[in-house]
Amino acid sequence: EIVLTQSPDFQSVTPKEKVTITCRASQSIGSSLHWYQQKPDQSPKLLIKYASQSISGVPSRFSGSGSGTDFTLTISSLEAEDAAAYYCHQSSSLPWTFGQGTKVEIK
Amino acid sequence: EVQLVESGGGLVQPGGSLRLSCAASGFTFGTYEMNWVRQAPGKGLEWVSYISSSGSTIYYADSVKGRFTISRDNAKNSLYLQMNSLRAEDTAVYYCARTLRYCSGGSCYSEHAFDIWGQGTMVTVSS
Repeated sequence: EIVLTQSPDFQSVTPKEKVTITCRASQSIGSSLHWYQQKPDQSPKLLIKYASQSISGVPSRFSGSGSGTDFTLTISSLEAEDAAAYYCHQSSSLPWTFGQGTKVEIK
Repeated sequence: EVQLVESGGGLVQPGGSLRLSCAASGFTFGTYEMNWVRQAPGKGLEWVSYISSSGSTIYYADSVKGRFTISRDNAKNSLYLQMNSLRAEDTAVYYCARTLRYCSGGSCYSEHAFDIWGQGTMVTVSS
């Protein structure tokens, strides 16, 4: 099973600051890595597919990069509505797995 | 509007059974692969099961293999999860999630990200 490890687990950030969340895979997964946002008491929402491909309707301040084992989700300028948990997810091999999540709090 | 609505959750004793349903609307259900994903209280996301558009291909997480059965009825636009021999560790919100599908030049293929999620249904296994 491929283990995804996110860092940090928690981040408290001031609005307009840049946020960087990393996801490291226990083995190479190519670009089969996706990012989700889950706001409190809501279902997850797909933000980025295949490491860096944008999703229609997602604000342009969200971007992704990486390949192989190391991936990054970047929020270029944090807004108050971005307070949420963020999860990476690999679809390279079964069982599909998620990272443990990174909670982003607004200062 | 594209929508997934889960139902069937509730309180069940250890060893008991429960059947979850997911009603799809706003898209051609029979052309999409589907999944169940769960989230234990205060915890992260765990993929549970996958079913192809026709129902011919099915996968399970090891944690539920042999106890859970995924199925679908394309005529009823519905996805199901039969859960047997339930354990306390199965306590979670269960989401149905659609597999992202990309179409170009007349061909379509799945991208194995989850683009549409239901609101979830809570399953509590406790005596």
